[in-house]
Amino acid sequence: SQKIEQNSEALNIQEGKTATLTCNYTNYSPAYLQWYRQDPGRGPVFLLLIRENEKEKRKERLKVTFDTTLKQSLFHITASQPADSATYLCALASGGSYIPTFGRGTSLIVHP
Amino acid sequence: NAGVMQNPRHLVRRRGQEARLRCSPMKGHSHVYWYRQLPEEGLKFMVYLQKENIIDESGMPKERFSAEFPKEGPSILRIQQVVRGDSAAYFCASSPPTGTNTEAFFGQGTRLTVV
Repeated sequence: SQKIEQNSEALNIQEGKTATLTCNYTNYSPAYLQWYRQDPGRGPVFLLLIRENEKEKRKERLKVTFDTTLKQSLFHITASQPADSATYLCALASGGSYIPTFGRGTSLIVHP
Repeated sequence: NAGVMQNPRHLVRRRGQEARLRCSPMKGHSHVYWYRQLPEEGLKFMVYLQKENIIDESGMPKERFSAEFPKEGPSILRIQQVVRGDSAAYFCASSPPTGTNTEAFFGQGTRLTVV
């Protein structure tokens, strides 16, 4: 069966460090992978999209890598700030449907 | 340019009543997705609609749940004869036509509580 796995344990880091979140998937042939941020009581907010033929994407302090051989994406936030504390969701969509399917998300807590 | 608008934000229904959740997509967006989120769980896909068409409803329960996206007006997710297990946050997302941009924009959700 298709699975998207994100670490269920919260990631605690100190302000200024780089946060790295992992998204692993099985039985998917994704056309693209997305990362979203979700704050409590709010809807997810799109951050980055990376396509199957791309290895890396950057946006300001964010970096996403996509390894279709390992079936894994890494999401990095450099120079993290307490305001980066939130739950981060990865989502995959196959070329056939384009319907984003979400992982459970990983909670990031950045301590001042 | 207003974002995706969902209303109501909070909805309380007694068991057996009907719940109607509304979603107005972003201007120019013709694709709407509905997701359900339970506490400590991920977003579960329910249904994908385009104007006047249900494209994929594989995630929606066969009974009591229905969705529409009419030519005019918002998309509606309807839950008939609600039960306690329907209590959840329901999110709507919209996107432009496939091939132009695959980013999904989410609304703030409707939190349904069944008492």
